[in-house]
Amino acid sequence: NAGVTQTPKFQVLKTGQSMTLQCAQDMNHEYMSWYRQDPGMGLRLIHYSVGAGITDQGEVPNGYNVSRSTTEDFPLRLLSAAPSQTSVYFCASSYWYESTEAFFGQGTRLTVV
Amino acid sequence: QKEVEQDPGPLSVPEGAIVSLNCTYSNSAFQYFMWYRQYSRKGPELLMYTYSSGNKEDGRFTAQVDKSSKYISLFIRDSQPSDSATYLCATYQTGANNLFFGTGTRLTVIP
Repeated sequence: NAGVTQTPKFQVLKTGQSMTLQCAQDMNHEYMSWYRQDPGMGLRLIHYSVGAGITDQGEVPNGYNVSRSTTEDFPLRLLSAAPSQTSVYFCASSYWYESTEAFFGQGTRLTVV
Repeated sequence: QKEVEQDPGPLSVPEGAIVSLNCTYSNSAFQYFMWYRQYSRKGPELLMYTYSSGNKEDGRFTAQVDKSSKYISLFIRDSQPSDSATYLCATYQTGANNLFFGTGTRLTVIP
């Protein structure tokens, strides 16, 4: 099993550009989420999904969109990149939202210049 | 006030030392308490979890929760250089839709 796969691993964007961070899991997990990790801030929840077709906002959703058309995929879209979105982004999945174990991808390091 | 507070460190110890990592949390409704380990440039991985108060042991690792003081601890015995990583505490309550993470403590074990 591949687990949670994120692409790309690294990305540099110019301010105002848009892009999609891809996330796929092969564990048939219902719950998927996106976090950003910044120094001194820890992991902060951006958006989450409790199943295909259902998404909701987390702690820091502004500037990001998500959709969940299949159980496996949960892409994160940056609409108009800003330097404040420079961060490491992690996608995670778990069997259910009340699961104690979340499986994380390897992360995407995004720099916005 | 953040839901979970964690001393960011960094913490540097000699090989073989006992390490104590700690967090405090604010919501008495939190029931599940997890410790994740994150190696450099990797995603976090679950190390262990406890439910409600008490201790849980797994090899060299012991997780402890004191709900009366809202305190979470992870003890590492006979620390090894391979334990060098960032350790994140996390918690949630039944019915909530997300985990709450501490900021992480970076640990270095010196050979």
